[in-house]
Amino acid sequence: AQTVTQSQPEMSVQEAETVTLSCTYDTSESNYYLFWYKQPPSRQMILVIRQEAYKQQNATENRFSVNFQKAAKSFSLKISDSQLGDTAMYFCASRGYTGTASKLTFGTGTRLQVTL
Amino acid sequence: GAGVSQSPRYKVAKRGQDVALRCDPISGHVSLFWYQQALGQGPEFLTYFQNEAQLDKSGLPSDRFFAERPEGSVSTLKIQRTQQEDSAVYLCASSPTNRDLDSPLHFGNGTRLTVT
Repeated sequence: AQTVTQSQPEMSVQEAETVTLSCTYDTSESNYYLFWYKQPPSRQMILVIRQEAYKQQNATENRFSVNFQKAAKSFSLKISDSQLGDTAMYFCASRGYTGTASKLTFGTGTRLQVTL
Repeated sequence: GAGVSQSPRYKVAKRGQDVALRCDPISGHVSLFWYQQALGQGPEFLTYFQNEAQLDKSGLPSDRFFAERPEGSVSTLKIQRTQQEDSAVYLCASSPTNRDLDSPLHFGNGTRLTVT
């Protein structure tokens, strides 16, 4: 079984500043991936960044980077140079093989507001 | 089409009515997932198809929920005798394979179901 916990229901950051969203997880899988998804008002889940558990190097995608602490089961997302378009719900998720499906397990989300 | 298409985008049903929600995955995608997202929550897994086979339906909340994918492409999620607690956004996602954990899930824009 997999569980994902996001303890920050809402966050706010000023444009051009940096913000970090927290996520902890628990899994019995030996191999798994971790993801951050963005969900704007359009409701479509958009992949922001992903990290394979076997890789020690933290993933980066332009202004987005993660701090993956495997022993602590922590997977935080850092957004640098925040932009108004970053305003959205952000979901942390894990994915590992469970029976016949490699389904995503999501956290409850963090609502990020970027202000002027 | 280029992405996952879901219809209708909005559905209002009176309690006790049956509803059918449609998902058109990306052509050729083997895996198809349905998720239920209650207001202010993260998506919760409902069911998974590999081609036409429903391999995991452990997330379906009751026997009023039924999903099918008869030809391995379009999928329909049916909810019988809708209840107010069924009000949620229903998301569909497809993926080219199921054996690669990093094989990306492509999400549709979801159907927002409101039961009155």
